[in-house]
Amino acid sequence: KAGVTQTPRYLIKTRGQQVTLSCSPISGHRSVSWYQQTPGQGLQFLFEYFSETQRNKGNFPGRFSGRQFSNSRSEMNVSTLELGDSALYLCASSLGSNRADTQYFGPGTRLTVL
Amino acid sequence: AQSVTQLDSQVPVFEEAPVELRCNYSSSVSVYLFWYVQYPNQGLQLLLKYLSGSTLVKGINGFEAEFNKSQTSFHLRKPSVHISDTAEYFCAVSPGGNKLVFGAGTILRVKS
Repeated sequence: KAGVTQTPRYLIKTRGQQVTLSCSPISGHRSVSWYQQTPGQGLQFLFEYFSETQRNKGNFPGRFSGRQFSNSRSEMNVSTLELGDSALYLCASSLGSNRADTQYFGPGTRLTVL
Repeated sequence: AQSVTQLDSQVPVFEEAPVELRCNYSSSVSVYLFWYVQYPNQGLQLLLKYLSGSTLVKGINGFEAEFNKSQTSFHLRKPSVHISDTAEYFCAVSPGGNKLVFGAGTILRVKS
């Protein structure tokens, strides 16, 4: 089976712009979670989607949003970009939304905000 | 709220030596614990997880971890490391759903 894929792998934007990142889960997986990884804050949970519904949300401002499509693919959007949004954004998929389910991570999208 | 503390930010070790990466957690409910590894410029890969049952959990690449409820610890061990084990290792706890709460990470540097 193909793993989790994320596009694009690298992105450069300027302050004030918006960005959309895409994640394709492993075939058959219905849950997609997003994480932000920065040197200062480490790995932080953004949100989780299961069957097109947001199940969990982390402590991020409303500029961060996401959605999931009927084929389980997910997108996250960041509006009005700030310098501090520069990070590696990781997507993870799992079969279900159970805390025991193994999450499989993609390679990430590295976003640089100038 | 559940949290994870990784006690060492970096652990240098010589090749073929044993290693232990320390992880302590805090939780008021039953815990599910995980260890992930991240190689440079890659995503995270699951090494092992503890859900219930035997407190000694064996994972991939020769790693194992022991769940100790009284010490609230979940330390990762490998009896003999290789250069290829050089990576960053993350301990995580699952408070609910698919949310993972990660520790700050431990960089394992294996020297020849």
